[in-house]
Amino acid sequence: EAEVAQSPRYKITEKSQAVAFWCDPISGHATLYWYRQILGQGPELLVQFQDESVVDDSQLPKDRFSAERLKGVDSTLKIQPAELGDSAMYLCASSWLAGSYNEQFFGPGTRLTVL
Amino acid sequence: KNEVEQSPQNLTAQEGEFITINCSYSVGISALHWLQQHPGGGIVSLFMLSSGKKKHGRLIATINIQEKHSSLHITASHPRDSAVYICAVWSITGNQFYFGTGTSLTVIP
Repeated sequence: EAEVAQSPRYKITEKSQAVAFWCDPISGHATLYWYRQILGQGPELLVQFQDESVVDDSQLPKDRFSAERLKGVDSTLKIQPAELGDSAMYLCASSWLAGSYNEQFFGPGTRLTVL
Repeated sequence: KNEVEQSPQNLTAQEGEFITINCSYSVGISALHWLQQHPGGGIVSLFMLSSGKKKHGRLIATINIQEKHSSLHITASHPRDSAVYICAVWSITGNQFYFGTGTSLTVIP
């Protein structure tokens, strides 16, 4: 069964270091989402791609976060420099298209701990 | 201000009990999703609703669009149902998903 892949599963880093997360969506899914989930809270959208274009990055802290999906397939989310408050689960999801009627398939997530 | 509110936040039940988790939302929506998140983080979509009721195995989801309310029911609960259940809505004005904070369910054998 097709799945959304993410790596690494766990990352521990020191503040001010750079970190990068990778996501490979289900083949054929045009829409890719990056979410941040702080412990005890629901996911918060960071960025949404439609193919290689950013559709929504209004909640992405652009001074330190960047995301790209150069060929419209896999995607990378980067944080530089990492801060203590960035400790969270980073979830990637994909769907055929954007919108409410398109089920999102989530990856296993990357749990980031910033020391 | 949370667009999506869930209750209860935490729930402990004995195996076999009937469980209800509630979700209320304040925005206009075109669909509501119930998601399950197991320890370790992976999220699985359980239901997508725009009206009425859906059933899958021991899980039942209902939605009342007029009252802006949805419920997720689990019949004959089992320890493997232990997880966080998250309600998410697609806002027709914001054109994005809003997520609840989740309900942490523990089913004791």
